[in-house]
Amino acid sequence: EAQVTQNPRYLITVTGKKLTVTCSQNMNHEYMSWYRQDPGLGLRQIYYSMNVEVTDKGDVPEGYKVSRKEKRNFPLILESPSPNQTSLYFCASSLSRGLENSPLHFGNGTRLTVT
Amino acid sequence: AQKITQTQPGMFVQEKEAVTLDCTYDTSDPSYGLFWYKQPSSGEMIFLIYQGSYDQQNATEGRYSLNFQKARKSANLVISASQLGDSAMYFCAFRERYNTDKLIFGTGTRLQVFP
Repeated sequence: EAQVTQNPRYLITVTGKKLTVTCSQNMNHEYMSWYRQDPGLGLRQIYYSMNVEVTDKGDVPEGYKVSRKEKRNFPLILESPSPNQTSLYFCASSLSRGLENSPLHFGNGTRLTVT
Repeated sequence: AQKITQTQPGMFVQEKEAVTLDCTYDTSDPSYGLFWYKQPSSGEMIFLIYQGSYDQQNATEGRYSLNFQKARKSANLVISASQLGDSAMYFCAFRERYNTDKLIFGTGTRLQVFP
């Protein structure tokens, strides 16, 4: 089944404790992206990747890191999480960044709480 | 300036009735794509329908159709014969040809279908 898989679904952590949210897609998609969703703000892009070893900042990259060593994987790293990073996170992928008609396929989301 | 606007924070509709969810956007790019996503209470993001800026006809997918008015820069989602399972958040999003790195989301409309 074609899908984007994120783990974990739920995560509660404390301020400053490094964490990684994994994301993997099995559709051979070139483009992958991370979004965070907050009430009243919709979804905002954190980072994106156009292909292996190519990553770039989105609208809200502060406090996050990503890597794209393989085409299928795009982990999100919080080196020192803070309470304002409490949010619902989505990983997404699409066939190509070059097509305006290419829909994003989303993972099921990771609900992160930082205390 | 907001690139994409959903002015209805919440909507109610009776089962079996049709409902229209509003979406307006702002772009000077002549080529772009418009998307609608559904987010049920379980949290996942489900792609519903796509409309390209050069498409001559309004997009339809089952009970979903898009009322696309290019001159007014609006792309309203019409759900016909509403079902209880349609209760969810609905997000409008678009992607410009010259900025395909990002899918820009509106803030969403919460639809409640009642019996």
